[in-house]
Amino acid sequence: EAGVVQSPRYKIIEKKQPVAFWCNPISGHNTLYWYRQNLGQGPELLIRYENEEAVDDSQLPKDRFSAERLKGVDSTLKIQPAELGDSAVYLCASSSRDRITYEQYFGPGTRLTVT
Amino acid sequence: ILNVEQSPQSLHVQEGDSTNFTCSFPSSNFYALHWYRWETAKSPEALFVMTLNGDEKKKGRISATLNTKEGYSYLYIKGSQPEDSATYLCAFRDDKIIFGKGTRLHILP
Repeated sequence: EAGVVQSPRYKIIEKKQPVAFWCNPISGHNTLYWYRQNLGQGPELLIRYENEEAVDDSQLPKDRFSAERLKGVDSTLKIQPAELGDSAVYLCASSSRDRITYEQYFGPGTRLTVT
Repeated sequence: ILNVEQSPQSLHVQEGDSTNFTCSFPSSNFYALHWYRWETAKSPEALFVMTLNGDEKKKGRISATLNTKEGYSYLYIKGSQPEDSATYLCAFRDDKIIFGKGTRLHILP
């Protein structure tokens, strides 16, 4: 079974440029999460989807970040325009349903560097 | 704001020695506590999901305990091996998911 796929793995952009990350969850997983991990910190939840519905986006900086999960399968996370402070690892995870005990399966992440 | 604290932040252990580290979390509104292992350049890997006070889980040389009343979980590694070098993350879950900053474990040959 294929795991969670993310692309690109690495991205370097100049500030004020747009950037997009893509995630394909494990087949059949209806819950999808986007996390941001800053250096020395734990992952911070940005947005959680149940199928195509964003059920928790309280931590998503909506002035510059946007996300979509059309058709309830793969998802994109966009930053426009990027700022220096957006440099981080962006992790995508999925689970079979958002029940408390269900494990999340993570992708390898996208390491973003904004110069 | 909920705080999930992990200690120590970093740990160096001689190969063959056993070790343990701690995850502290709020003791109210507890749903579940997750442990993950994250090796460099790889995806975080789920180790345990713990839900009941007094839970003990084991996977090979790694085990974990849970005390929801006092708000802590211990992760134990017996007979450390080089492949155990990783960052170990815990995540507390009520209606939110809050990760700790992790414990970076380095196994010295």
